[in-house]
Amino acid sequence: DTAVSQTPKYLVTQMGNDKSIKCEQNLGHDTMYWYKQDSKKFLKIMFSYNNKELIINETVPNRFSPKSPDKAHLNLHINSLELGDSAVYFCASRGGTRDTEAFFGQGTRLTVV
Amino acid sequence: QQPVQSPQAVILREGEDAVINCSSSKALYSVHWYRQKHGEAPVFLMILLKGGEQKGHDKISASFNEKKQQSSLYLTASQLSYSGTYFCGTESTSGTYKYIFGTGTRLKVLA
Repeated sequence: DTAVSQTPKYLVTQMGNDKSIKCEQNLGHDTMYWYKQDSKKFLKIMFSYNNKELIINETVPNRFSPKSPDKAHLNLHINSLELGDSAVYFCASRGGTRDTEAFFGQGTRLTVV
Repeated sequence: QQPVQSPQAVILREGEDAVINCSSSKALYSVHWYRQKHGEAPVFLMILLKGGEQKGHDKISASFNEKKQQSSLYLTASQLSYSGTYFCGTESTSGTYKYIFGTGTRLKVLA
């Protein structure tokens, strides 16, 4: 039973399209994140949610809109995709205390052509 | 703002040792270490907390210098399976929700 499941694993789309990535965790965690990993392997935080509330938005273009219908789900919708959006996007979740590790989804490799 | 890791990359022979460093510009509450293999998600290795507490891997050790805001990961008698990219995950003393990762260190272990 996968702890953090993320779909789809691969996404190839044309510039200008809109796409969504879904994430679900069954760990009962309060906090969920979206990270972007670029070609240089840097893992950059995009958003952080705690109990469905947006806590952190790291100056991400507003074409990116996260949505958390409940604390087990955090989806990412991207409008008007650009070439520079090509990357691997990871969803992660953590428990409510500071001594807990992050559990990652499998990642979504987004390629914009 | 991302913690800086050094070295950026390292190549080892099996059985050799390596040290990976993570340095932050902000006061840290905890440092967490992860390993990511190619095409996979990062996987947790260990946590170091203020006050010296550690949790995690029994074959990898690490240190956390709170005053210097630095952590080091010690890989001894490296194995082929240690190959991957290592990240430190950090949480500052100011809050629990900004969980950011270091710049990464690529480690390759050769037979």
